[in-house]
Amino acid sequence: EVQLVESGGGLMQPGGSLRLSCAASGFTFSHYWMHWVRQAPGKGLVWVSRIDSDGSRSYADSVKGRFTISRDNAKNILYLQMNSLRGEDTAMYYCARVKDYGLPLDYWGQGTLVTVSA
Amino acid sequence: SYELTQPPSVSVSPGQTATIPCSGDELGDKYVTWYQQKPGQAPVVVLYQDTKRPSGIPERFSGSNSGNTATLTISGTQAMDEADYYCQAWDSSAVVFGGGTKVTVL
Repeated sequence: EVQLVESGGGLMQPGGSLRLSCAASGFTFSHYWMHWVRQAPGKGLVWVSRIDSDGSRSYADSVKGRFTISRDNAKNILYLQMNSLRGEDTAMYYCARVKDYGLPLDYWGQGTLVTVSA
Repeated sequence: SYELTQPPSVSVSPGQTATIPCSGDELGDKYVTWYQQKPGQAPVVVLYQDTKRPSGIPERFSGSNSGNTATLTISGTQAMDEADYYCQAWDSSAVVFGGGTKVTVL
C-alpha cells in the first residue's frame, strides 16, 4: 500500500526555519518525482516545489531562495527546508508523488500544518 | 506565469448534472487533472489526462478539454459528491492549480 506521511510542522516565529519530512513506503521511491503542495486555511491548493527522480528541482516564485527541496532515496524520505518563514507561509503542507511529467499527482499524504506567527 | 481559472462555486440538485469549467491559455494543448477534496482530507484524483478515471472513481465523473477550457462533469450528482474540485495542469517545470470550485448539492 502506498503511504506518504508528513511530519515536522508546528508553530514558528517569522524569520524562523523549519524542516518538513515526508516518509514514503509501498512503492519504489527513487523512481518517482515528488512534490510539495500547500494550502492556507480556507484557501486553495498551491504548488510549492518539485524534485525529479534524477534530483532536478523547481520552485514556485513565492518560495524561491527561501525553501529547499531534497530527497534521500536510501531512506525513502522527501524533505522541505523552509527558511526566512513569513506569515503567508502558514498552511497545511502536503507531499505528493508523480510518475513522470504530465501525469497526475496520484498519491498524497495527509499533510503537516505549519503556522508562522509572532 | 500560467494561470487556471475556476468559478468559486457551483450548486446542483441531487440527480442533476454539475459542470465545472477550468480556463487557461491554450489549455487544450495540455493534459488536465481534476482533484476532489473533502473537508479535512487530502485531494484525490477523479480524472487525469483530461478524460481518464482512476480505478474506483464512478462513471458519473467525466471530462473534456478543448481550446481554452477544460470541463469536469458530474452526472447524476449525489450528496457524497459535495466537495471542492481543483483542476491542474503542467506548465514547463511547474504544476499549476486552479483556484478551486466548491460544489454544493442542494
